[in-house]
Amino acid sequence: GEDVEQSLFLSVREGDSSVINCTYTDSSSTYLYWYKQEPGAGLQLLTYIFSNMDMKQDQRLTVLLNKKDKHLSLRIADTQTGDSAIYFCADSTDSWGKLQFGAGTQVVVTP
Amino acid sequence: EPEVTQTPSHQVTQMGQEVILRCVPISNHLYFYWYRQILGQKVEFLVSFYNNEISEKSEIFDDQFSVERPDGSNFTLKIRSTKLEDSAMYFCASSEQGEEVQSEQFFGPGTRLTVL
Repeated sequence: GEDVEQSLFLSVREGDSSVINCTYTDSSSTYLYWYKQEPGAGLQLLTYIFSNMDMKQDQRLTVLLNKKDKHLSLRIADTQTGDSAIYFCADSTDSWGKLQFGAGTQVVVTP
Repeated sequence: EPEVTQTPSHQVTQMGQEVILRCVPISNHLYFYWYRQILGQKVEFLVSFYNNEISEKSEIFDDQFSVERPDGSNFTLKIRSTKLEDSAMYFCASSEQGEEVQSEQFFGPGTRLTVL
């Protein structure tokens, strides 16, 4: 079946940039998402990108999409301790349909 | 700010018992979803619900599962006869609209179900 894969752990120093990578297999993916999960909380949408875009920037967040390689990345500039969380990559084939998630990347920000 | 709420936050049950997990979606939302995350595994889609009927369901969502919107505000997931492997965090989500416009799915904080 279709799959979304991401690395499980990333450690980064405060002030540095973080880059979280994700690959997906479904060529009909239309929307690609990044969600953040803090302890005890639900999944919070950070940003999404439509499949006809290569890049999207939103303040400290930059999403890059390489549709040919089915590779998605999330760059967090000037990473802060409050950015420590699990980050999930997800895709969907339509705007209202099911999300297919990766396993999540645990980001730990050290002072 | 409106949010999706879920109750209880943690449910412990014996194998074979029925459980009902409750969700209150955001009030003007039209699309509702259940996902689950078994510890250490991916978040998996279970079912989506629109206009009082299931619009899509996964292979996981077998005859033991059912969903209902009993009163226009709650959205429930029932597991008729729980199994050990149903132990997971269950997330409810809702979105405002779909079809032509991309619409964010807002997630609740989850219900942790433990089946003994």
